[in-house]
Amino acid sequence: DAEITQSPRHKITETGRQVTLACHQTWNHNNMFWYRQDLGHGLRLIHYSYGVHDTNKGEVSDGYSVSRSNTEDLPLTLESAASSQTSVYFCASSEFEGTNEKLFFGSGTQLSVL
Amino acid sequence: AQKITQTQPGMFVQEKEAVTLDCTYDTSDQSYGLFWYKQPSSGEMIFLIYQGSYDEQNATEGRYSLNFQKARKSANLVISASQLGDSAMYFCAMRGLNHGGSQGNLIFGKGTKLSVKP
Repeated sequence: DAEITQSPRHKITETGRQVTLACHQTWNHNNMFWYRQDLGHGLRLIHYSYGVHDTNKGEVSDGYSVSRSNTEDLPLTLESAASSQTSVYFCASSEFEGTNEKLFFGSGTQLSVL
Repeated sequence: AQKITQTQPGMFVQEKEAVTLDCTYDTSDQSYGLFWYKQPSSGEMIFLIYQGSYDEQNATEGRYSLNFQKARKSANLVISASQLGDSAMYFCAMRGLNHGGSQGNLIFGKGTKLSVKP
């Protein structure tokens, strides 16, 4: 079955380190998204991509970067991790089926920056 | 700019009763899509229902229906016959859709925590 997987599920790192969170989907979807979820803020969009070599900044993109070299993967990189980036990170992908769009989420990555 | 507002931080409903979760939105896009997602305590995000702005009928998926009122810019989720397993956070989301052109951002509201009482 097609799916979207995130790794790692949990990550502890130190401030100033570079961290990369992986997202891999086998739906063959063009659209992929990264969100962070924090109490009181809901889900906020970090970066998104509508196809290979396409990347766009979301609402809270500072300190994060993404690259899309193939359809399946959209890794999220924290260039220099900060304590404010402690959060749960969700990757998602979507495609239109006729006029209906479904968004599929990964299971999330809990990141702690100490 | 697009915005999603969910004004109910928490809701209680008696088991087997219906409940409406409110969602209002703001967008200047002519075409857009509206979503509802469920997030149980386990943390995963579960797709519930989708409504396109040009869909003439309200979307339904089993016990879920979307009460779409375009003029009022509201997209409320109605859950019929609530079950204990419906206790979760519920998120409303929206995306602009420029068919034939670029697609817009996908943004979420802050969510409503629904608790179903036995």
